[in-house]
Amino acid sequence: AQSVTQLGSHVSVSEGALVLLRCNYSSSVPPYLFWYVQYPNQGLQLLLKYTSAATLVKGINGFEAEFKKSETSFHLTKPSAHMSDAAEYFCAVTLPYGGSQGNLIFGKGTKLSVKP
Amino acid sequence: NAGVTQTPKFQVLKTGQSMTLQCAQDMNHEYMSWYRQDPGMGLRLIHYSVGAGITDQGEVPNGYNVSRSTTEDFPLRLLSAAPSQTSVYFCASSPRDILYEQYFGPGTRLTVT
Repeated sequence: AQSVTQLGSHVSVSEGALVLLRCNYSSSVPPYLFWYVQYPNQGLQLLLKYTSAATLVKGINGFEAEFKKSETSFHLTKPSAHMSDAAEYFCAVTLPYGGSQGNLIFGKGTKLSVKP
Repeated sequence: NAGVTQTPKFQVLKTGQSMTLQCAQDMNHEYMSWYRQDPGMGLRLIHYSVGAGITDQGEVPNGYNVSRSTTEDFPLRLLSAAPSQTSVYFCASSPRDILYEQYFGPGTRLTVT
């Protein structure tokens, strides 16, 4: 079975500081991994995805994530936080093949606050 | 394209009442799914469908029914609502060749009293 663990339910950074949101996964096969963002009272929007190509993945809004198989991690980073980055972020995993590809397993989420 | 639409946006039910949450997509996506989001729990898969006439259970299917008579629509039915079903419900869809690339609707906030 697959699972995702997000370390830290709340992260607070100052505007302009580095953003680091942690995600570790468990999977019996090399998985596909995703980061989604949810702004207040809205649905989820895909930030970036890893689907077994380059291990460093760039997404929207200046975010990137690196797939590290040895550490079973897929941490999300942004060099300089902006006030508009305040949102909840979800890491998700799925199998890389078959009809179950659509069945995403989500982490519990990390709320990012950005202080002026 | 309207993308994935959900109705209603908000709903309050009494325990034991039934209702249907509507989900529609206009992208001709074959895969559709329902998730519920609870504080501190992330999103959990309720039911999914890989095409018209085909549905299957996800992680938390109890208390919910689905059917898929058309490609566009995937309604979620609560037969006898319980307070434990108070949640925010999200519908998602994806194309057949990129099942993992989910497009989410705006959600329905359901309260059961």
